[in-house]
Amino acid sequence: GAGVSQSPRYKVTKRGQDVTLRCDPISSHATLYWYQQALGQGPEFLTYFNYEAQPDKSGLPSDRFSAERPEGSISTLTIQRTEQRDSAMYRCASSSGLAGGQETQYFGPGTRLLVL
Amino acid sequence: AQSVTQPDIHITVSEGASLELRCNYSYGATPYLFWYVQSPGQGLQLLLKYFSGDTLVQGIKGFEAEFKRSQSSFNLRKPSVHWSDAAEYFCAVGSNTGNQFYFGTGTSLTVIP
Repeated sequence: GAGVSQSPRYKVTKRGQDVTLRCDPISSHATLYWYQQALGQGPEFLTYFNYEAQPDKSGLPSDRFSAERPEGSISTLTIQRTEQRDSAMYRCASSSGLAGGQETQYFGPGTRLLVL
Repeated sequence: AQSVTQPDIHITVSEGASLELRCNYSYGATPYLFWYVQSPGQGLQLLLKYFSGDTLVQGIKGFEAEFKRSQSSFNLRKPSVHWSDAAEYFCAVGSNTGNQFYFGTGTSLTVIP
């Protein structure tokens, strides 16, 4: 696609429910990143994919968080048994190459999650 | 551990005035440095980046940044600010051993007429 898209843009859920967020990266981009951005903070790295491989999950806050990219394109981030502290903006980004920290990332508009 | 500090939470400048946004980083090796801008309702957009070479880098929208290793800084500058520059600005460091990126907490810029 022309840019990175994310859905839904807004999600309100009740504590204890599971939520799944979707990211559609720029076509043919090899690398996809997920970030969590709390209000008034910068994005915090959660995880990334090189195609369908997920080399680094170190930023995921707990085992309630999981992500997948089964065909190396669209990715989902799932939060199980949501807690109020999970309320944040979740941002997805993609980059064309595999050059690691040199890559220019293209960000989606984010999904605003509110856990009541 | 890697970290990025943006000391100024909020800055207000008059339209046409010069601008400098501060960024300090903590990183053991030569860092990959980025500045991103976030407009309301939009994703982050890359302004400029530094990997090596000339320490003064030019970016889009008339922005530039200077890498100063001795000060561990990568400050963003613009000679004359336009009202459309009002946004949130994030400095980031990219790891040279993986795909991790570390963002500062951001500086919110307000431009007054």
